[in-house]
Amino acid sequence: QVQLQQSGPGLVKPSQTLSLTCDISGDVISNNDATWNWIRQSPSRGLEWLGRTYYRSYWYNDYAVSVRGRITISPDTSKNQFSLQLNAMTPEDTAVYYCARELHLSGFPYWGQGTLVTVSS
Amino acid sequence: DIQMTQSPSSLSASVGDRVTITCRASQGIDNRLAWYQQKPGKVPKLLIHSTSTLQSGVPPRFSGSGSGTDFTLTINSLQPEDVATYYCQRHNNVPLTFGGGTKVEIK
Repeated sequence: QVQLQQSGPGLVKPSQTLSLTCDISGDVISNNDATWNWIRQSPSRGLEWLGRTYYRSYWYNDYAVSVRGRITISPDTSKNQFSLQLNAMTPEDTAVYYCARELHLSGFPYWGQGTLVTVSS
Repeated sequence: DIQMTQSPSSLSASVGDRVTITCRASQGIDNRLAWYQQKPGKVPKLLIHSTSTLQSGVPPRFSGSGSGTDFTLTINSLQPEDVATYYCQRHNNVPLTFGGGTKVEIK
């Protein structure tokens, strides 16, 4: 059974960087059939896919246009986890952030527990 | 980018009713359409992927259909535990866009 466990701060100051980590159990991050995603949810933006990392002989990333230039998603094979960094946070980035796994391009059956991130001074 | 538009945004139905939610993509998505159920304060739960493939453990009163750009989630015989917000999502290519959601309540 795949489980995703998120960690990271719930409060970030404006202009600072958000860092979240997603620990994976029951699978390996280098699974050639999986992608590892970050998604956020807010009342104003709904569910918003932010980006993903995945391994297909090499590591690849895809990012949403809305956050491109501010986002980095990185795999850590030694810890079997992946991380999200989002720079230059503003109050509009306040949301619940989720990590999620996709397998065989079949949607997201596995999600982390969610982290409410508030951007405020 | 492809936009995903759900309708209605909310509905109220009686226990036992058949409920239909529609999702329209602005372009074809190769029938790679998923549906999620989210209850208040909970993580979204995958119900259906690839338009009509029911996820393991999901009650058979849930079904999905459609093709091209128009897709439907049907709940046959609405139950009290089905009160939730339902989202569609394209999963054929990035960006993996979600619809705006449909809130289902009991009348």
